[in-house]
Amino acid sequence: ETGVTQSPTHLIKTRGQQVTLRCSSQSGHNTVSWYQQALGQGPQFIFQYYREEENGRGNFPPRFSGLQFPNYSSELNVNALELDDSALYLCASSIPPGTGNTEAFFGQGTRLTVV
Amino acid sequence: EDQVTQSPEALRLQEGESSSLNCSYTVSGLRGLFWYRQDPGKGPEFLFTLYSAGEEKEKERLKATLTKKESFLHITAPKPEDSATYLCASLGSARQLTFGSGTQLTVLP
Repeated sequence: ETGVTQSPTHLIKTRGQQVTLRCSSQSGHNTVSWYQQALGQGPQFIFQYYREEENGRGNFPPRFSGLQFPNYSSELNVNALELDDSALYLCASSIPPGTGNTEAFFGQGTRLTVV
Repeated sequence: EDQVTQSPEALRLQEGESSSLNCSYTVSGLRGLFWYRQDPGKGPEFLFTLYSAGEEKEKERLKATLTKKESFLHITAPKPEDSATYLCASLGSARQLTFGSGTQLTVLP
């Protein structure tokens, strides 16, 4: 078991609604990344937060946004939900980029279903 | 753009039948090549990181190797509990993990 926890574990939303997913990082890790994993696919990078600022972004529209708090926990917000947003959303924590040890540890994910 | 391709997509083995999973990668400024195990509905579980060609790492029945273009995950005498999806990911100069689509391994008793 990693120390990365995500909430909620499952969520059902209606198209057009907004959703907030939460992540607590592993102790000692101040970098948090979010990934979207569609069924049968590998995770796709959404963005990364370090020191409360976005530190890299994948090919996702602006309606995907995030926050990182002083205690290194993080939120992923998705506005104007679309059916294709249905996926497993994964949070990964790691130590800062460039410090050598590059392992990222994942939480159990939040399964989002948009109907 | 970094790219990772895994093969085969699915693999069925009899218990005890050794095999290898392949991960081909194209990445700018490789900072690490990662292997994860993922069980259905769960987050990926970290297995190995490889940093340079020629490096090998082992854990129980698994051994990961790395060349300049590929990585292999060798599974020796697998057991049914090794059944899972195995994901390969590269970390490049963009400092984000790029994943392949995974190999779904089924080990039959």
